[in-house]
Amino acid sequence: DQQVKQNSPSLSVQEGRISILNCDYTNSMFDYFLWYKKYPAEGPTFLISISSIKDKNEDGRFTVFLNKSAKHLSLHIVPSQPGDSAVYFCAASVYNQGGKLIFGQGTELSVKP
Amino acid sequence: KAGVTQTPRYLIKTRGQQVTLSCSPISGHRSVSWYQQTPGQGLQFLFEYFSETQRNKGNFPGRFSGRQFSNSRSEMNVSTLELGDSALYLCASSLVEKHSTDTQYFGPGTRLTVL
Repeated sequence: DQQVKQNSPSLSVQEGRISILNCDYTNSMFDYFLWYKKYPAEGPTFLISISSIKDKNEDGRFTVFLNKSAKHLSLHIVPSQPGDSAVYFCAASVYNQGGKLIFGQGTELSVKP
Repeated sequence: KAGVTQTPRYLIKTRGQQVTLSCSPISGHRSVSWYQQTPGQGLQFLFEYFSETQRNKGNFPGRFSGRQFSNSRSEMNVSTLELGDSALYLCASSLVEKHSTDTQYFGPGTRLTVL
């Protein structure tokens, strides 16, 4: 039962353009969502998060949008840089189970110069 | 502040053996969670410890166990290793209090290979 889904295994974007990574979830009890960036053989690095009481959160080049009615969130990276090339995971947790993250399968982003 | 540290970084074991992995959280963080990453299953939650008590548990067999010490450091143990236990084991810590949600910060992981 895949509660968090990233349907695009890979995405290729030109440097300077916008990267949009998508994530869908099925559990309506999720109330906190996070995006992580990961390189092979390393631990995930936290990028940005959003609480279910908001529909947008911005941090520099990264913006996360949450559409609760559609159970969908997306990560926008503007402008994309070659150093952004990595695997991106979205994750979700339920209130009072904050230590338990449910991850999507990841999307490999490639930003070409 | 130092980040989450995990030891050892790499480990090779044979089937049937047991293994213990260690995790030191970020100073002040009281919650430690463990995850397993494999190519086929992705990142899966193993368990979470808070104040030396297991607070959440994933769907893994009883061969996987853990504990947390009074200084918040945590260990996980896998007994009777199977080939399928080969994975990257990740530890994450957070400031999460009793009934709140907070960001988890991950360590570099321990790469376990079972032969």
